[in-house]
Amino acid sequence: GAVVSQHPSRVICKSGTSVKIECRSLDFQATTMFWYRQFPKKSLMLMATSNEGSKATYEQGVEKDKFLINHASLTLSTLTVTSAHPEDSSFYICSARDDAGGGTDTQYFGPGTRLTVL
Amino acid sequence: DQQVKQNSPSLSVQEGRISILNCDYTNSMFDYFLWYKKYPAEGPTFLISISSIKDKNEDGRFTVFLNKSAKHLSLHIVPSQPGDSAVYFCAAILGGSQGNLIFGKGTKLSVKP
Repeated sequence: GAVVSQHPSRVICKSGTSVKIECRSLDFQATTMFWYRQFPKKSLMLMATSNEGSKATYEQGVEKDKFLINHASLTLSTLTVTSAHPEDSSFYICSARDDAGGGTDTQYFGPGTRLTVL
Repeated sequence: DQQVKQNSPSLSVQEGRISILNCDYTNSMFDYFLWYKKYPAEGPTFLISISSIKDKNEDGRFTVFLNKSAKHLSLHIVPSQPGDSAVYFCAAILGGSQGNLIFGKGTKLSVKP
């Protein structure tokens, strides 16, 4: 149980195009999902908190017009990188908080999406 | 199938004692392992790592041990403090330092005063 999927797992795109990444909780409901970006030397950066039915909460320094987040259902959040540039190339990971976690911060990570912008 | 497994969802330890968090993996090609610590409502923060060519790495109260033959690693916290109470994620990387992170499901550590 408690599986989170991401699609696609890998994407290569040209500079200036937009890329959509999906994050799904497969066997539980997640009102709240999180989007992270992995930087070199292993650090993870929280980009935004995605809330079903409401606007995402972005961390300081993250451009909300560039990284569009939509959380349309209790099992799906999408991250769209708009007008992608080579510096957006990275590994993007989502996590989902289990609504049935009993008030604990039980999160499950997705497998990640490797984005390469040429 | 899960490549990185943390079989204990929770662990409770008395302050001052040792906390041992365990992690098993299935892919012998992993070349880097990391531990992350996560407080509620915050993103995970990097704690300590170990290369597959080593069997031990120590940083203050935190020590990570790697047993490649058993495909097992563990994080030791000595002495445990109440501020160590958090969820600890084990992660592995395939393909060098730029490879993708593969996370375990986490172990919630509670350190009681």
